[in-house]
Amino acid sequence: DADVTQTPRNRITKTGKRIMLECSQTKGHDRMYWYRQDPGLGLRLIYYSFDVKDINKGEISDGYSVSRQAQAKFSLSLESAIPNQTALYFCATSDTTGPGADTQYFGPGTRLTVL
Amino acid sequence: GNSVTQMEGPVTLSEEAFLTINCTYTATGYPSLFWYVQYPGEGLQLLLKATKADDKGSNKGFEATYRKETTSFHLEKGSVQVSDSAVYFCALSPHGSGNTGKLIFGQGTTLQVKP
Repeated sequence: DADVTQTPRNRITKTGKRIMLECSQTKGHDRMYWYRQDPGLGLRLIYYSFDVKDINKGEISDGYSVSRQAQAKFSLSLESAIPNQTALYFCATSDTTGPGADTQYFGPGTRLTVL
Repeated sequence: GNSVTQMEGPVTLSEEAFLTINCTYTATGYPSLFWYVQYPGEGLQLLLKATKADDKGSNKGFEATYRKETTSFHLEKGSVQVSDSAVYFCALSPHGSGNTGKLIFGQGTTLQVKP
């Protein structure tokens, strides 16, 4: 079984709709991240969370919100989707301490299309 | 600020050819450096990493050496296979970001290997 799972894997929605992307992990990591990937731009950080009570904005948080429901779950919401939020979204996790703390583990991605 | 620049793709090679994907970075202090690989339809996977100057990361026949004097972390492989076709991302974790685990990604380089 995959350590980091994302649902849905693909989603098509319309402008103005609210949509939630979900991420679950079984790695036991405290840190979780949401990125979006756009062609030619690499991955950009939207939000990240150190633990259930700690949420931080990344470089492109406008238009997005997140919820850390439990250590294992981190959801990304688009309150009112717009076409330029069409992208591939990735969730990632990492450990808190130790030599592997700077290594991130990625889910398979959610391809979101906003019409 | 911190940034990563990769050579533009796509890179198209014949099987068994030598591969180099250039990566240079800008960062304060001593970042950790990474190469991630994204196979079609999948999330990113850590390929290799190096945490200090002159370290060499290696995995699956790929190598990269942390060169502080040239601020580079070029990815090399002596003989590529069709199965190496993927998108390759160079990334850095800024020094002192152990508290955040943030990764800064390059734009990605697509490699296509033909039989």
